Amino acid sequence: EVQLVESGGGLVQPGGSLRLSCAVSGFTFSSFAMSWVRQVPGKGLEWVSSIRGSGDHTYFADSVKGRFTISRDNSKNMLYLQMNSLRAEDTAVYYCAKDLGLLLYYFDFWGQGTLVTVSS
Amino acid sequence: QSALTQPASVSGSPGQSITISCTGPSSDVGGYNYVSWYQQHPGKAPKLMIYDVTNRPSGVSNRFSGSKSGNTASLTISGLQAEDEAEYYCSSYTSTSVVFGGGTKLTVL
Repeated sequence: EVQLVESGGGLVQPGGSLRLSCAVSGFTFSSFAMSWVRQVPGKGLEWVSSIRGSGDHTYFADSVKGRFTISRDNSKNMLYLQMNSLRAEDTAVYYCAKDLGLLLYYFDFWGQGTLVTVSS
Repeated sequence: QSALTQPASVSGSPGQSITISCTGPSSDVGGYNYVSWYQQHPGKAPKLMIYDVTNRPSGVSNRFSGSKSGNTASLTISGLQAEDEAEYYCSSYTSTSVVFGGGTKLTVL
C-alpha cells in the first residue's frame, strides 16, 4: 500500500524557516518524481516544487524560487522541502505527492497534508 | 502562471450527467494533451481522476470521462451519485511546470 506522511508544519514568524518532511512507503521511491503542492484553506491548489527520481533536477514555482529548496534521500525514502524567508502568503496546507512517472506532473498519490502558518 | 478557468459551481441530480469545463491559453491546455482532473472531498487530499486528457487511473469509475477541444478541457460525470459531491480541479502541463484551475464545486441535489 502506498503511503505518504508529511510532517514538520507549524507556526513560524515572517522571515523564518521551516523544513517539511514526507516519509514514503509502498513503492520504489527512486523510480518516481515527487512534488509538493500547497493549498490555502478554502482555496485552490498550487504547485510548489518537483524533483526527479534521482534528485538531480529540481523545479520551482516562481512564487517560491530562490526561497524554497526541494531534496530527497532515496536511501531513506524521504522527501523534503526547506522553506526560507517565509511570507504570510506561504500559509497553506502542504501536500507531498507522488508523480505517475518520471516527471509527468500527474499526482497519483498524496499525503494527508501538513499546515504551515506564517504569522507574527 | 495564471490559474486555469473553471466554473465556480455546477449541480445535478442523481443519475444525471454533468460537465465541468477548464479553459486555458494555448501555452498550456491548448498546447498540450497533458490535462488531468482531481477530485477533492472536504478535509481530504486530492485524488487523481483523469490524466492525459482522457485516461483513468486504475480504480476510477468509468462514469468519469475527459475530453478536450482547442483551449478547453472537460470532465464529464455520468450517472451522478451522492458521493460525487466534491471539489474538482483541472490541471495542465505548461512548458516548465503545471498549473491548476481554480476549482469547481459539484453539488448533487
